Amino acid sequence: ELKVEQNPLFLSMQEGKNYTIYCNYSTTSDRLYWYRQDPGKSLESLFVLLSNGAVKQEGRLMASLDTKARLSTLHITAAVHDLSATYFCAVDRSAPDKLIFGTGTRLQVFP
Amino acid sequence: NAGVMQNPRHLVRRRGQEARLRCSPMKGHSHVYWYRQLPEEGLKFMVYLQKENIIDESGMPKERFSAEFPKEGPSILRIQQVVRGDSAAYFCASSPLASNTEAFFGQGTRLTVV
Repeated sequence: ELKVEQNPLFLSMQEGKNYTIYCNYSTTSDRLYWYRQDPGKSLESLFVLLSNGAVKQEGRLMASLDTKARLSTLHITAAVHDLSATYFCAVDRSAPDKLIFGTGTRLQVFP
Repeated sequence: NAGVMQNPRHLVRRRGQEARLRCSPMKGHSHVYWYRQLPEEGLKFMVYLQKENIIDESGMPKERFSAEFPKEGPSILRIQQVVRGDSAAYFCASSPLASNTEAFFGQGTRLTVV
């Protein structure tokens, strides 16, 4: 059974600091996603990572994928308050398609 | 191009009543997925449907829950005889005809059972 684990579960960080969220999964997968969720809202797609060594960046967020280690990271650079949200990674299992979500990392950025 | 539309956004039901949640996929999408999110948890897969077919219902509780995606109209997630433990956010996602493409999520329906 495919399992997806994230750490840390909670992250409180000061504005301007850097940090990394980790996502481990237990079996091979076709794709890995990162989502953001604000309280009471739906999921906003941040990144889709398709292959080993893939790296994508958008603003202060950068995601990478190591399929051999079954590890993805979401790196936050110079955090700002607007990044406060819960971040989920999810792994796609084809045949049939469905997403297996990690437990989520609740990020709080304070001044 | 409207996104995935779910309604209602909020639903309150008394214990024992039925809850019907609707999901209209994005135009051109024929794959629908339902997920449940309990408070303070991640999303859990429930069911995957294509038009008129249930492809994978491995995440559906064995009793009281059912889903359909008819040829015409939205996909429906139906919960009979709701209990307090059914209180959660239910998200629908849709993807295009081709497999191995990203699914897009709706705004969710927040069900509260009182």
